[in-house]
Amino acid sequence: AQKITQTQPGMFVQEKEAVTLDCTYDTSDQSYGLFWYKQPSSGEMIFLIYQGSYDEQNATEGRYSLNFQKARKSANLVISASQLGDSAMYFCAMRDIEGGSEKLVFGKGTKLTVNP
Amino acid sequence: SAVISQKPSRDICQRGTSLTIQCQVDSQVTMMFWYRQQPGQSLTLIATANQGSEATYESGFVIDKFPISRPNLTFSTLTVSNMSPEDSSIYLCSVLTQWGGHYEQYFGPGTRLTVT
Repeated sequence: AQKITQTQPGMFVQEKEAVTLDCTYDTSDQSYGLFWYKQPSSGEMIFLIYQGSYDEQNATEGRYSLNFQKARKSANLVISASQLGDSAMYFCAMRDIEGGSEKLVFGKGTKLTVNP
Repeated sequence: SAVISQKPSRDICQRGTSLTIQCQVDSQVTMMFWYRQQPGQSLTLIATANQGSEATYESGFVIDKFPISRPNLTFSTLTVSNMSPEDSSIYLCSVLTQWGGHYEQYFGPGTRLTVT
């Protein structure tokens, strides 16, 4: 069963506007964590933000914030004041512990294009 | 945060040969991971490499094909053996850092492998 779902293969946003990238997850664990990464065309994976399941506040890092809705099992990334350099693939991932081993399970990604 | 370097950054290899990828971290970390990203795809975990023990491989990945070494807490290698064109991918080293209940997982810049 797919544990991380990103339903938007591609998104477009105008420069300086805000954009929300969707991510839903599936887990029966009480303790888990959600990550967002940015992958520009160069291929590097850039860590953006982390949200723990027990965190009371939504995580924020500069222009990035995570809209965490636990009951709906969603962890959407909000990018405020988009910049041309934000154009990239964005991956949502969940920390998964199975059989004693720990790993990140990734969604399929959303390609964000910021238009001038 | 953790700064991760990988060598080589890219390579073009002949079918049937092997390539060893090196991963160096600027601090001691317990958990290191090797991921693969096939063209146009998301990331898939190959194995977890913990110092002092054998690597733990995910379903679909075997030690004979992807032998891993982890001689100390800052270094690991992944070998892609007996390569075929299907092994053409980006291979990424990753480390997990945690304090309290907060997690951050960082990735190296990746090794872009093309098998001809």
